[in-house]
Amino acid sequence: EPEVTQTPSHQVTQMGQEVILRCVPISNHLYFYWYRQILGQKVEFLVSFYNNEISEKSEIFDDQFSVERPDGSNFTLKIRSTKLEDSAMYFCASIPRDRATAGANVLTFGAGSRLTVL
Amino acid sequence: AQSVTQPDIHITVSEGASLELRCNYSYGATPYLFWYVQSPGQGLQLLLKYFSGDTLVQGIKGFEAEFKRSQSSFNLRKPSVHWSDAAEYFCAVEAAGNKLTFGGGTRVLVKP
Repeated sequence: EPEVTQTPSHQVTQMGQEVILRCVPISNHLYFYWYRQILGQKVEFLVSFYNNEISEKSEIFDDQFSVERPDGSNFTLKIRSTKLEDSAMYFCASIPRDRATAGANVLTFGAGSRLTVL
Repeated sequence: AQSVTQPDIHITVSEGASLELRCNYSYGATPYLFWYVQSPGQGLQLLLKYFSGDTLVQGIKGFEAEFKRSQSSFNLRKPSVHWSDAAEYFCAVEAAGNKLTFGGGTRVLVKP
């Protein structure tokens, strides 16, 4: 069964450092998402991405965050200058090409990248 | 704005016993509802979904859920729990654009 692959599985960084989290969505999917889960809290939507641009972003997704699809297969989340409160599990997700009706397709999530900011 | 509440943070159940996880949602339109499971070190795996039609939906691993519009609920059930069902379970409602709003999760512990 096709998978969404995320790397690294765990990254530890110092506050103020830049971090890039990588995702390889399922190959025929066109819509991509990042979610995050701070330890003990809800999974929260960060951003959606389609046709090489952001479709929607949450309040969390401020200027320190950016997303990119640099080469047609990878989908990255960059945090420019990490803060302690960025420590979380970050999930990438994607949905297929066909979207005949809203909600007809279901997000496939990756296993997540755990970010620890010291 | 939509919201999802899972009233039970932890549930402990004996292996072979039945399990019910509660989920209440708040959403202005007809909801699309989901249950995901997260095993340790794993991603979010879809158990089942409700879009329309029959309000009792069947999912993977022997799980089912019932949509009750009058109660704004979408409770998840399994008749007989296995040790491998120990995990965290998330209920979610979909807003436009496939954006999911998740509940806080319920952690299920299975006693031998």
